[in-house]
Amino acid sequence: EAGVTQFPSHSVIEKGQTVTLRCDPISGHDNLYWYRRVMGKEIKFLLHFVKESKQDESGMPNNRFLAERTGGTYSTLKVQPAELEDSGVYFCASSRFGGSYLQETQYFGPGTRLLVL
Amino acid sequence: SQQGEEDPQALSIQEGENATMNCSYKTSINNLQWYRQNSGRGLVHLILIRSNEREKHSGRLRVTLDTSKKSSSLLITASRAADTASYFCATVKSGGSNYKLTFGKGTLLTVNP
Repeated sequence: EAGVTQFPSHSVIEKGQTVTLRCDPISGHDNLYWYRRVMGKEIKFLLHFVKESKQDESGMPNNRFLAERTGGTYSTLKVQPAELEDSGVYFCASSRFGGSYLQETQYFGPGTRLLVL
Repeated sequence: SQQGEEDPQALSIQEGENATMNCSYKTSINNLQWYRQNSGRGLVHLILIRSNEREKHSGRLRVTLDTSKKSSSLLITASRAADTASYFCATVKSGGSNYKLTFGKGTLLTVNP
């Protein structure tokens, strides 16, 4: 089975521009998570989808970040306008739904490395 | 301090030696997981240990969990150069239906051939 994929792998933009990151979870995985790692800091949770619904978006840093998962398949994370402190690696993860064990193991994508200049 | 802090931050050993990494956390947990990240790659799930378990094995990996001390350790036996990577512990808080992970900053393991 194909793993979690993310696009693009790298993005370099200028402050004030908009960037949209995409995540394709493993087929059949209802849970989708976004995390990010800012330079020198730990990987932090951003939000959690169950199918197309936002289950928890407590980690979203501010309203410049917008995540969507229309149709409950792939997800996008838009940053608008981007600021310097948004630079980092954005990870997406997915897990199955139903039964704690299936939900607990999250499979991560390779990440998108975002650099805001 | 952080939930899920790994210790040491960096570890350099020779091939064939054992590597031990520790993790401490602060809140009550449902489970604790260890992940590996090779340079430029995504996070690979290694092992999950639940709060009612004390020890778990998977191949050359051995994980222990001490909930009274809120700590865990990851032991990699007979290390190989290919084990060179960053290792992260991550916890899932007890209660609730969200299985979001709280990560530490990681331990960078270098295995020298």
